[in-house]
Amino acid sequence: QKEVEQNSGPLSVPEGAIASLNCTYSDRVSQSFFWYRQYSGKSPELIMSIYSNGDKEDGRFTAQLNKASQYVSLLIRDSQPSDSATYLCAVNIGDQTGANNLFFGTGTRLTVIP
Amino acid sequence: NAGVTQTPKFQVLKTGQSMTLQCAQDMNHNSMYWYRQDPGMGLRLIYYSASEGTTDKGEVPNGYNVSRLNKREFSLRLESAAPSQTSVYFCASSLSTGQSGNTIYFGEGSWLTVV
Repeated sequence: QKEVEQNSGPLSVPEGAIASLNCTYSDRVSQSFFWYRQYSGKSPELIMSIYSNGDKEDGRFTAQLNKASQYVSLLIRDSQPSDSATYLCAVNIGDQTGANNLFFGTGTRLTVIP
Repeated sequence: NAGVTQTPKFQVLKTGQSMTLQCAQDMNHNSMYWYRQDPGMGLRLIYYSASEGTTDKGEVPNGYNVSRLNKREFSLRLESAAPSQTSVYFCASSLSTGQSGNTIYFGEGSWLTVV
């Protein structure tokens, strides 16, 4: 079992819809969770970080964390064609929170259809 | 606002050749990293340097060496390139390896092909 798992997609949603991206992780003591966006041929860029159970909102993005279920998700409201990218989930596996033990999922490719 | 700069952007090597990927950051970060990204495998940590003067192995260190030249620069060397090292390489940095400073900022990537 991989430390961080994501559905590779592709996930297609119409413009203006809500896109829901999901991620599960292996270690229940993990404490830090991140969502990165990566456009084709570009480097990953941080969208959100979340450390506590519940929801965290930033503009059109909402991260949701459920540590009991070992599940973190990203919701994108009012999806735009510019949101079309691969979304990477990253988790600190274990009780250490350093970036040196950050594990990435393989990413979910999102396409927003105009 | 350069952030993390890595060179070269593209390189083709023959099997057995050596090369060094260069990386520099101007954000005064303490920690630096080298990742590789392969289809279906995601980003995997090769080596990291928690602070100037230290380096440690990550998840996939075999076939690579690193040097933390100073606080700004962290290079990755392939001593004898193999086709399995064909990948996209990302240098990254963070303020520290602790939770308060563990947001990673990536360079633009280096596309390496070994034939």
